[in-house]
Amino acid sequence: DTGVSQNPRHKITKRGQNVTFRCDPISEHNRLYWYRQTLGQGPEFLTYFQNEAQLEKSRLLSDRFSAERPKGSFSTLEIQRTEQGDSAMYLCASSLKGQGRVYEQYFGPGTRLTVT
Amino acid sequence: QKEVEQNSGPLSVPEGAIASLNCTYSDRGSQSFFWYRQYSGKSPELIMFIYSNGDKEDGRFTAQLNKASQYVSLLIRDSQPSDSATYLCAGNNDMRFGAGTRLTVKP
Repeated sequence: DTGVSQNPRHKITKRGQNVTFRCDPISEHNRLYWYRQTLGQGPEFLTYFQNEAQLEKSRLLSDRFSAERPKGSFSTLEIQRTEQGDSAMYLCASSLKGQGRVYEQYFGPGTRLTVT
Repeated sequence: QKEVEQNSGPLSVPEGAIASLNCTYSDRGSQSFFWYRQYSGKSPELIMFIYSNGDKEDGRFTAQLNKASQYVSLLIRDSQPSDSATYLCAGNNDMRFGAGTRLTVKP
């Protein structure tokens, strides 16, 4: 399977705990995106990387959220001191940027976070 | 102001009818647009993209782009119950998604 993979698929945690999610993009893709989605809403942009550089981070993103893509391959998203409002599906997507053009994104299956 | 607006629906059409989904955008930096389909509990999957003004057809799907008016639409011909899902659009410049349009195709 050469698609985008995410781990874990489900995470239940208690309020105040830290959680970390991992995303492995399609191997030749140089862009990687993180989104958050709650019921009835479209994916909300969180941040994206081009290779290892984090190029944009949503202004709505709390300082409790941090993302890395240290070698330009897989990425991690960490949420510190989780709150019940963080409960959502966290989606990762990857795409290719080249020749001055951004190509379509392909999504992973998502990580569903439940904060109790 | 949201960068992408969609008629949130829900939209209900009978089987075999044409479903029309619309999206308007404010970011003129986007040169291409993508339509995704999302089944309940699943992640979005790409169904079409369009770069140029005009129509692009792919099977039962037709995407339409009008850069002057800043709208993009998706037509689904001969709608099937399996098309029942939420449809999302996004521009390539910022990949911001609208809330999506929930489509139900009734047998």
